[in-house]
Amino acid sequence: AQSVSQHNHHVILSEAASLELGCNYSYGGTVNLFWYVQYPGQHLQLLLKYFSGDPLVKGIKGFEAEFIKSKFSFNLRKPSVQWSDTAEYFCAVMLFSGGYNKLIFGAGTRLAVHP
Amino acid sequence: NAGVTQTPKFRVLKTGQSMTLLCAQDMNHEYMYWYRQDPGMGLRLIHYSVGEGTTAKGEVPDGYNVSRLKKQNFLLGLESAAPSQTSVYFCASSPPPPQGTYGYTFGSGTRLTVV
Repeated sequence: AQSVSQHNHHVILSEAASLELGCNYSYGGTVNLFWYVQYPGQHLQLLLKYFSGDPLVKGIKGFEAEFIKSKFSFNLRKPSVQWSDTAEYFCAVMLFSGGYNKLIFGAGTRLAVHP
Repeated sequence: NAGVTQTPKFRVLKTGQSMTLLCAQDMNHEYMYWYRQDPGMGLRLIHYSVGEGTTAKGEVPDGYNVSRLKKQNFLLGLESAAPSQTSVYFCASSPPPPQGTYGYTFGSGTRLTVV
């Protein structure tokens, strides 16, 4: 079965520290890849997405992610986090099957950034 | 610029009660989805619809029913609520492929507690 694995369930960082959140998926076909963010009490917002082309994609708020096809990975990075980045981050994979596209989410990583 | 609107935002039910969650979108999207979000499990697809009058089961459909009588509305029903259905419910919509492969638009969620 297709799945999305996020390696870290909870991450605690100090402001200005660098961030890398891991995401791996298990599906051999064509995929589109996403990172969503959910700030406390809010709904999901799209951070960035990858469809094709340059495997290094840049999103909002200084986030970027790198697609490594050979590793089935799509890790999220930010060079210097801020307190306002405290949120839960979800990796998601769009699969294509039977003319229908299906978005599968990882379990999420809860990030806490301390001032 | 409403996007996807969910009502109600919060609800407390007693075990065995029934209720309906309403999702409305104003983007003329064909596809609509209901997810539930539980700690440590990410978002899991309950039911989805690829058009007016059509619905299909997702990963965790048991205990839920849905209806898509109008293109803009997608209703999620709980006939006999159970404590295991305590969760945050998110509705989403998208165009069909290929545009729909670029991501979904999410509502702000409904927090349901079953006591």
